[in-house]
This record gives sequence, C-alpha cells and structure tokens, in this order.
Amino acid sequence: DGGITQSPKYLFRKEGQNVTLSCEQNLNHDAMYWYRQDPGQGLRLIYYSQIVNDFQKGDIAEGYSVSREKKESFPLTVTSAQKNPTAFYLCASSRVERGLTDTQYFGPGTRLTVL
Amino acid sequence: RKEVEQDPGPFNVPEGATVAFNCTYSNSASQSFFWYRQDCRKEPKLLMSVYSSGNEDGRFTAQLNRASQYISLLIRDSKLSDSATYLCVVSPLAGGSYIPTFGRGTSLIVHP
Repeated sequence: DGGITQSPKYLFRKEGQNVTLSCEQNLNHDAMYWYRQDPGQGLRLIYYSQIVNDFQKGDIAEGYSVSREKKESFPLTVTSAQKNPTAFYLCASSRVERGLTDTQYFGPGTRLTVL
Repeated sequence: RKEVEQDPGPFNVPEGATVAFNCTYSNSASQSFFWYRQDCRKEPKLLMSVYSSGNEDGRFTAQLNRASQYISLLIRDSKLSDSATYLCVVSPLAGGSYIPTFGRGTSLIVHP
C-alpha cells in the first residue's frame, strides 16, 4: 500500500522534554510538510521540504526543528522552546511540478499532549 | 489581511439543501487551488481540485474566479454524511516558491 504514515498516534510528554514525531511516505513525493492544528483552527505550516537535505521554515517554525536526510522521511522535533506544544500535528507529502504543488496527501496525524 | 480567508460557519442546513462556500485569497499570483474535507479528529482528505474552467464531481462543483480572487464550493442535495469541515487551499507565490496555505475551514452540519 502506498501512503504516508505518522507515529505515534497519541503522545504524552512532560513539560521541558524534547519529542520527535515520525513521518514516512512511500509515494515517491519530493515535497513534505509539517502542519499544526489547534482546536477550531486551520492548519498552520511549521516546516516544509521540497528536496532532500533542504528545508524551509513555515509560518510558525519557532521551537521546532526538522531534518530531511532521506526522501521518504521528514521527522519533526518539538523542542522545549516551543511555548505551547499541545496540538494535533499533521504531516503531508506532494509532488511538485514546475514549482507548483500538486495534491497533498496527509498522514493520520499525531496528537501531542504536554503535561 | 489573512492570505486565505473562509467563513468558519457553522452552516446548518437540512438534508437535500444546496449550500455554497467561498474562500478568498489575497495574493493575485496564487496557483494550485484545492478543496479538502476534514472530519472531526481526522486528517484532511482531498475533495477536489479547482480550475478556472470549473470542476464538477457528482453533487460537488468547484469554481475559481481569478478576477475577484476567490474559489467556491457548491454542494447540491446535501447528505448527512456531508457534515464535516471544508478547507480551501491556495498556493501564493512567496520567495520564489508556491507554498500551500490553508484557510481555517468552514463547518457544515447537515441535519435530518
């Protein structure tokens, strides 16, 4: 099955701890994205990557870090510097053709709760 | 002004009704327009792409109006199962790249 996976589905952490969220895709997509969604809100872009070993900050990158060492993988680390990390985190991937983003496919998301 | 704006609703309609949502965008150089559907506590899923010539898929019709900078979604003969949040996505040109930007979504509730 082709698709995009995120793990774990639910994650609980103590305040002050870093935590890494996993995102893997086997769709052979060049671009990958991390979004954050808070209750009743839309998706806000944290980081995106259009090619291996390169990534760009989105609108709310502070307190987060990413890596893109492989095309298939785009892990997100929520650091202790993120002031309000409790949220629903969504990873997506897409093809990019002539600089334009095609349909994004989303993973099932990770619900992070910081206690 | 936000780059992509939607009326959050909720739109509360009876089964069988026709309902329409709009989504406005501020960057005239935007490309790649989509409508996604998101069910409660789930990931967004593509509903349909939006083209200048319009796009129809069964009961759903999407339109793009570049002159007025908005996209629309029309749902005919609403079903209970259409109850969800509908997110529009627009890719404005920023820093040489087109980066997908989501609206905050419009909530639709279809009641018997």
